Amino acid sequence: EPEVTQTPSHQVTQMGQEVILRCVPISNHLYFYWYRQILGQKVEFLVSFYNNEISEKSEIFDDQFSVERPDGSNFTLKIRSTKLEDSAMYFCASKRDRGYEQYFGPGTRLTVT
Amino acid sequence: AQKVTQAQTEISVVEKEDVTLDCVYETRDTTYYLFWYKQPPSGELVFLIRRNSFDEQNEISGRYSWNFQKSTSSFNFTITASQVVDSAVYFCALSLEDQTGANNLFFGTGTRLTVIP
Repeated sequence: EPEVTQTPSHQVTQMGQEVILRCVPISNHLYFYWYRQILGQKVEFLVSFYNNEISEKSEIFDDQFSVERPDGSNFTLKIRSTKLEDSAMYFCASKRDRGYEQYFGPGTRLTVT
Repeated sequence: AQKVTQAQTEISVVEKEDVTLDCVYETRDTTYYLFWYKQPPSGELVFLIRRNSFDEQNEISGRYSWNFQKSTSSFNFTITASQVVDSAVYFCALSLEDQTGANNLFFGTGTRLTVIP
């Protein structure tokens, strides 16, 4: 069964460094998402992406964040200058089309020191 | 504004007991979707069910059942004859219909279920 995959599974970085989190959504899906979950807390929406552009973004998704779909398979989240409070699990998700459910990847745990 | 409330932070049951996880949502939209996701100790988010606002029919899937009641804005989840493998954090989520169809998810704070053998 097709799955959303994410790399790396764990990333440790120093404050102020740039990180890129990578995702490969399910191949025939049209919508892509990033969510984050700070340890022990609820899952929070960051951004949605459709038709090669951002559909919606939350207040968390400020100028330090960007997303890209550089080719037909990858979907990336870049954090330009990481802060301690960016430490969280980052989930990528995709869905087939309008009205369908979102399927999540296994997550990337980002630790900012 | 939309909101999902899962008032039960943690629940413990003994194996084979039935357990109900509560979810109450708030939205002014008439078209919306409700979901349940399971997050086992390994950390991934596993999709369990999706319901749209026009379909109040309850659903049963094996030991799982869902009770959607618009009158009380609730979408409760019952596990019958619980098993140790059911131990996880369960999230209820809401999405609203938007023009692009992206419909991002608003999650509740989750209920940690522990099934004791």
